[in-house]
Amino acid sequence: AQSVTQLDSQVPVFEEAPVELRCNYSSSVSVYLFWYVQYPNQGLQLLLKYLSGSTLVKGINGFEAEFNKSQTSFHLRKPSVHISDTAEYFCAVFLGDDKIIFGKGTRLHILP
Amino acid sequence: KAGVTQTPRYLIKTRGQQVTLSCSPISGHRSVSWYQQTPGQGLQFLFEYFSETQRNKGNFPGRFSGRQFSNSRSEMNVSTLELGDSALYLCASSLLWNEQFFGPGTRLTVL
Repeated sequence: AQSVTQLDSQVPVFEEAPVELRCNYSSSVSVYLFWYVQYPNQGLQLLLKYLSGSTLVKGINGFEAEFNKSQTSFHLRKPSVHISDTAEYFCAVFLGDDKIIFGKGTRLHILP
Repeated sequence: KAGVTQTPRYLIKTRGQQVTLSCSPISGHRSVSWYQQTPGQGLQFLFEYFSETQRNKGNFPGRFSGRQFSNSRSEMNVSTLELGDSALYLCASSLLWNEQFFGPGTRLTVL
């Protein structure tokens, strides 16, 4: 069965430090991968997506992610976080037939 | 262009009641999906509508139903509410399969 695993439920990081949010997936079909961000009391907003081509994908707000097929991973990174990055981040896999499954989310806490 | 709107934003109901939530997609988007978000289960797919037809359905009981109108607006209904139905219900619309736009959600509390 297809699944998405976000290995950390919470990640604390100091302001201006780098961060990596981990995501692993399992799928028997071609994968299309997404990262969404949810700010408090808001819906989800697309950060970036991997459909094909370059395995390094750049998104909004300085985030990027790397698709690694051999490790079935799609980790999200940012070289220097800001207090405004405090949010919950969701990794998602598109399975086809317009079905998307989401990971359980990772809460990013920015420490002053 | 206006984003996805959901009404109401907050709702309090008691067990056994039924509730209807509304979602207006971005103009031109014909696909509308519904999700339930809870702290324990995360985001779970409820169903997806395209041109007034349900195309996909998640693993939820029959108490959860939906429909889509000719203007692409969608409603979801939950009958015989249970305490466990307390959640944030998110609606997302899309023009293309590879990008969904989410509304702010309706927070339902069942007492």
